[in-house]
Amino acid sequence: NAGVTQTPKFRILKIGQSMTLQCTQDMNHNYMYWYRQDPGMGLKLIYYSVGAGITDKGEVPNGYNVSRSTTEDFPLRLELAAPSQTSVYFCASTKEYGNTEAFFGQGTRLTVV
Amino acid sequence: DQQVKQNSPSLSVQEGRISILNCDYTNSMFDYFLWYKKYPAEGPTFLISISSIKDKNEDGRFTVFLNKSAKHLSLHIVPSQPGDSAVYFCAARVRGAQKLVFGQGTRLTINP
Repeated sequence: NAGVTQTPKFRILKIGQSMTLQCTQDMNHNYMYWYRQDPGMGLKLIYYSVGAGITDKGEVPNGYNVSRSTTEDFPLRLELAAPSQTSVYFCASTKEYGNTEAFFGQGTRLTVV
Repeated sequence: DQQVKQNSPSLSVQEGRISILNCDYTNSMFDYFLWYKKYPAEGPTFLISISSIKDKNEDGRFTVFLNKSAKHLSLHIVPSQPGDSAVYFCAARVRGAQKLVFGQGTRLTINP
């Protein structure tokens, strides 16, 4: 059982470049989330989705976009990378509303230079 | 505005002794509190949770205590084992929302 899978694990981007962080889950979870973790800080919610076709902003959405065309996939798009987006990104999912246990992917370490 | 705070960045405990990790919160609308454990190069994994209507929840070596009047949450690990060395995140859910707010994390080191 793969759970939540993120790709790539590491990436170095130049300022102004764009990329997509991939996230897929095989647990048929309705809710999916993107977090970022900066050094010494907790996880901050970027975007979340309550089901296919429905997304909403979290605490720190600026500079990012998401889409949810299927239950399984929830990609995160960076259009114009900035050094402030250097962080570790985690994708997570929960089964249904009211379920508090989130399953996380292994993370993507992104460096923008 | 840090709604969930873990004021100790690190904690070192001897193997076999009790580890106590603390968390303070400010939002009275939190209805669920959780602890996640994170090893290096891995995503966080769920450890234990507690509803705001309870004051204690136990699961094996792990016990979470909730003091609502003090807005304080703690995780007790007894006895501590080397495999417990990890970063522990406290998290809270706002009532009516399916989103979690995380603390900064505490790095626990268990010494043999």
